[in-house]
Order: sequence, then structure tokens, then C-alpha cells
Amino acid sequence: DAMVIQNPRYQVTQFGKPVTLSCSQTLNHNVMYWYQQKSSQAPKLLFHYYDKDFNNEADTPDNFQSRRPNTSFCFLDIRSPGLGDAAMYLCATSRQGTYEQYFGPGTRLTVT
Amino acid sequence: DQQVKQNSPSLSVQEGRISILNCDYTNSMFDYFLWYKKYPAEGPTFLISISSIKDKNEDGRFTVFLNKSAKHLSLHIVPSQPGDSAVYFCAATLIQGAQKLVFGQGTRLTINP
Repeated sequence: DAMVIQNPRYQVTQFGKPVTLSCSQTLNHNVMYWYQQKSSQAPKLLFHYYDKDFNNEADTPDNFQSRRPNTSFCFLDIRSPGLGDAAMYLCATSRQGTYEQYFGPGTRLTVT
Repeated sequence: DQQVKQNSPSLSVQEGRISILNCDYTNSMFDYFLWYKKYPAEGPTFLISISSIKDKNEDGRFTVFLNKSAKHLSLHIVPSQPGDSAVYFCAATLIQGAQKLVFGQGTRLTINP
């Protein structure tokens, strides 16, 4: 089945220790998104890619970076996690020109 | 500034009855709206959508209504089933925009037997 996969599902990191979350997709969609969702809040878009064209949201902290080495994979790097970065991180994909996004199961990040 | 709001954090409905989930938006430029459903430990999954040129879209038990003048949309589920228990998110976007969705904070729907 075509899908969006996120690894790991649960990640624990220490305050200030860099962490990378990964997302892969078998849908062959050219648009990929990273969202941050805190408890009982709306998913908040951090950035997205059209193919390799990176688009950062204006309020995304510099602490968050992303890489997309190819169509299938996308990574979220948090350079120096703070306690406030503990959240669910959702990856999504879509075909350019459509509005329906397909989500992975998310990675829950804990910062100790 | 939250552009899409779901003011009811939770809703409890008896099985077989109608569930009505509400969503308000502030940006009058939004012209395409979606509803997503999320089970625990899974990502959101697309449920139904509506363009601003329509005021109603129906798919089986699910109907979305759009009131542009009130900047309000609602999702009706009839009849409600236990498997409908989930968190429901509404989202909005601009058809000519950057293909980004703005989400509400979700409503947890519980269907009671």
C-alpha cells in the first residue's frame, strides 16, 4: 500500500542535543510538509517542499531545519531542542495542484 | 491569530443520532475547505472537502455545509457510529495559493452506544 512512513514513532532527546526525524513516502508526491502539533492545538506548518524547492514559514524558529535529498525522503533536524519543542511532528505529502494531504502517523518527541 | 477555529473541544453523541461538528474561519480569502479525521496513534486522514462555489457536499453519511457569509462550515455525520469516535480537524486553503492548509485545533467526537 502506498503510504507515508515516519521514523521513529517515539523519540526522546536531551535538552540541547540535536535530533533528526525522518519521513518517507511511496506515493511519489512532489510536495512534502512538516507540521508541529502540541497537545490540543492545531497542527502548525513548519515548512514544505515543492520538489526540492524549500519554503519556510515566517514564524518557524531557526532551530528547525529540513532536508529533502530525493522525492521519497524528507528529514526534520532540530539543532538544539528546548523543552518547548516537545510535540508531535507530522509529515504529509500531496500532489502539486491538489489540496488533499496524506499524513504519516507522526513522531512524538520528548525533550528531557 | 488563529484563522480557523473549532470552538468545541469535545462532543458526545449517541449512536445512531446526528453528529454536528462546527468550524469558523476569519480569512474571507479562503476558498477551499477540508475535514480530516484522526484516530489515536495515527495521522489525520482526509474525509471530505468543499469548494467555496458550493454550499453543500455529501459523501455517504458525511455532509459538509458551507456558509460563506457567516464564515462557517459544519460537518454532519448521520447516523453516527462507534467507529466515528475520533478527533476531527477542519482545514482551509486558497485555491490559487501555495497549497498550504490552515488547521483548526480539532474536536474530539465520542459516540456512545
